[in-house]
Amino acid sequence: DADVTQTPRNRITKTGKRIMLECSQTKGHDRMYWYRQDPGLGLRLIYYSFDVKDINKGEISDGYSVSRQAQAKFSLSLESAIPNQTALYFCATELAGGPYNEQFFGPGTRLTVL
Amino acid sequence: AQKITQTQPGMFVQEKEAVTLDCTYDTSDQSYGLFWYKQPSSGEMIFLIYQGSYDEQNATEGRYSLNFQKARKSANLVISASQLGDSAMYFCAMREGTSGTYKYIFGTGTRLKVLA
Repeated sequence: DADVTQTPRNRITKTGKRIMLECSQTKGHDRMYWYRQDPGLGLRLIYYSFDVKDINKGEISDGYSVSRQAQAKFSLSLESAIPNQTALYFCATELAGGPYNEQFFGPGTRLTVL
Repeated sequence: AQKITQTQPGMFVQEKEAVTLDCTYDTSDQSYGLFWYKQPSSGEMIFLIYQGSYDEQNATEGRYSLNFQKARKSANLVISASQLGDSAMYFCAMREGTSGTYKYIFGTGTRLKVLA
């Protein structure tokens, strides 16, 4: 089973709809991240959380909100989706104090807003 | 200003040859980390290699090595003996900040195509 899972894997929605992307991990990592990937722009950080009570904005948080329901779960919400939020969204986890502090990524959610 | 710059949008390499993917970075932190990730066409992000700013030796992981030149602020990825399965998008990333405030910045990526 995958250590970092994302649901849904693909979603098509309409402008103005509320949508939630979910991320779960079984790695026991305390840190979790949400990124979006757009062609030619690489990955950009939306929000990150270093533990259940810690939520921080990334470089492109406008139009998004997050919830850290438990150590293992970190959800990303688009309250009112707009077409320029069409992108590939990644969740990632990180173990604080690990030898590399590398991030482990989920498989991604491809979101299309019409 | 870009904190991570990958100047090669696309690269070709012949199978079994070595290839270098360029990455330059910009930070005023003394302690930072540099990473390379691989993204195959299937879309997942795969960690390849890490270099800490205080590491004196260049990092190596199998066929991957990181050519770290601190004074030039470059962290190029070298893939030796390229294989067809190496065809993918490659991202350079930097972790900066102090414990508790780490942030990651990714470059725009280099698409590598290995030719048979």
